[in-house]
This record gives sequence, C-alpha cells and structure tokens, in this order.
Amino acid sequence: AQRVTQPEKLLSVFKGAPVELKCNYSYSGSPELFWYVQYSRQRLQLLLRHISRESIKGFTADLNKGETSFHLKKPFAQEEDSAMYYCALRSGSGGYQKVTFGIGTKLQVIP
Amino acid sequence: EAGVAQSPRYKIIEKRQSVAFWCNPISGHATLYWYQQILGQGPKLLIQFQNNGVVDDSQLPKDRFSAERLKGVDSTLKIQPAKLEDSAVYLCASRQPGQGPSSYEQYFGPGTRLTVT
Repeated sequence: AQRVTQPEKLLSVFKGAPVELKCNYSYSGSPELFWYVQYSRQRLQLLLRHISRESIKGFTADLNKGETSFHLKKPFAQEEDSAMYYCALRSGSGGYQKVTFGIGTKLQVIP
Repeated sequence: EAGVAQSPRYKIIEKRQSVAFWCNPISGHATLYWYQQILGQGPKLLIQFQNNGVVDDSQLPKDRFSAERLKGVDSTLKIQPAKLEDSAVYLCASRQPGQGPSSYEQYFGPGTRLTVT
C-alpha cells in the first residue's frame, strides 16, 4: 500500500522568510512524487514533479529516497504563495496510474 | 484548450436522496478520475476510467455509489441513497494517454460541493 504523509495542516510564515512544506511517503516500488497547489477559489493544479527537477514559482523539491521524503522549499515566501499544497505519489504505468494524495498543508504567508 | 467541466457546482440534498454529478474531461484525454475530498483531507480516488472501461474502483462504495463513462468521453457519478458522511467535494480529473511527459499531469475540474443534511 502506498501512503503520503504531510505532518503539518497549517504553516504560517512571514513574507520573505524561507518555506519548507514537509512530505513523507511510503511505497515499495520506485515512486513518482508531485506537488499540487490550490489557490483560493481556483482548481487544484500541478506545481511540480520530482523527475523534472525544475523550479516553479521559486519552489523546488528534492526526492530523498533514503528518508522517503519530498519536501517543498522556497527561500523567500511571497504573499501570493498562500494556498493549499498537496503532496502526491503516483504508481503504476500505462493506462493504470494511481495517484495518492496527502491531506494537504495550508500555507499562510503573513505580510 | 477548455478545461475539465463539472456540474452542478453545488448540491444540497437530504439523506437517503439520490444525486448525480457530471464531468466532461479535456478533449482527447482517455483517462478520467473521480475523487472524493472530505473537508480537511486530501482527494481520495473513487474510480478511474480508461476510455469507457473501469481501471480501478477499489475504493468506490459500490453499495451506494456508481459511475459510468459509456462513450468514453463524459462521465456521471451517482450516489443512491446518500448518507451524511458523503458530504464532500467531488472532483473530476482527466489525463492524456501515454507515458510521456505530457501525460503525467492530471487536470482537475472545479469540483461539486455536496452537502447532505
């Protein structure tokens, strides 16, 4: 069984402070990890995935297989970063790909 | 391109009543998902379709929930009869076929917020 754990339901930081949203996973195979974001009154959307190793809106996330973690980081928080962030794990291939989401962390950036 | 469409956006029903939700995925997306998101939790997969076939419905409460995607395009999710614990946002998502980079992202609809009283 696969599981995604986000230990913090709410994370409050001041504007300009560093941000780290934690995500740990449990999966016996080779995982694909993602971060999805939902801004207020908007749809859930993909932020980034570990394979692409990209920085989106200043956010990065590194897959650490030893610690089974995929924490989302940003060096300087902006007010527009306030949103719900969901870590997700994808397993399977081809037509069958299952995505398991964590419970989400609400990021609140204080001006 | 147009996004995933869902209707209705909101629905309030009494327990033991029936309700149906509709989803129209992005054109060409063979894979369609229905998720249930209870307040304070992440989306939980209910059922996954590949074209008009069910790929995974292991978490669908089949005694009261049903879903279909008869022509492999739009889909309906039905609850009959509804219980209080079914109050949630029901999300539909779709994905392109294949395994390349363009197929890894799920595109979500706006969701239907169901309140069962």
